[in-house]
Amino acid sequence: SQQGEEDPQALSIQEGENATMNCSYKTSINNLQWYRQNSGRGLVHLILIRSNEREKHSGRLRVTLDTSKKSSSLLITASRAADTASYFCATADVGQFYFGTGTSLTVIP
Amino acid sequence: SQTIHQWPATLVQPVGSPLSLECTVEGTSNPNLYWYRQAAGRGLQLLFYSVGIGQISSEVPQNLSASRPQDRQFILSSKKLLLSDSGFYLCAWRTTGGVSGYTFGSGTRLTVV
Repeated sequence: SQQGEEDPQALSIQEGENATMNCSYKTSINNLQWYRQNSGRGLVHLILIRSNEREKHSGRLRVTLDTSKKSSSLLITASRAADTASYFCATADVGQFYFGTGTSLTVIP
Repeated sequence: SQTIHQWPATLVQPVGSPLSLECTVEGTSNPNLYWYRQAAGRGLQLLFYSVGIGQISSEVPQNLSASRPQDRQFILSSKKLLLSDSGFYLCAWRTTGGVSGYTFGSGTRLTVV
């Protein structure tokens, strides 16, 4: 399967702390994306990192990609209660994206 | 601007009844369109995708079908729902070619009773 797998499945932190989520995948990819899903809502695209990139930033988000280890991490710095959501990585080779099962993040005020 | 509309937001249907979920996209042409299903607490499973009118590809064998009668319209259907069809259904689109992320609709919560 090409699906990404996020780790941990669930994460609970205090507001202000950093949250790190990891994603591992099995096949070669063109790019990897991270999405956020609030409970009962659609997914929102957060950031895309191409296979030839190693790190990318967007606001409080930092994504790294290690193609040799077939893994990626999403770091949310200075977390806020509003960051509480599920986070998914999606990998793409040619054509479609395949999503992992997600990390459920709870930020406690 | 580009938007995606998906309806209804929630649906409760009896076993054996038909299903029709509709998704429309505005502000773009010739998008790639997708139907995903998300079981409770699980990841997303790609059900169907379409690269053009009348072109449907299925990722998994199932009780559902999809159609694309117009460039920006994608419909998910079933003739007879099963209990296992319950879930959260998401429509998404992205531009053809290049590298881009999905834009998702707000989802339909389907409960088959």
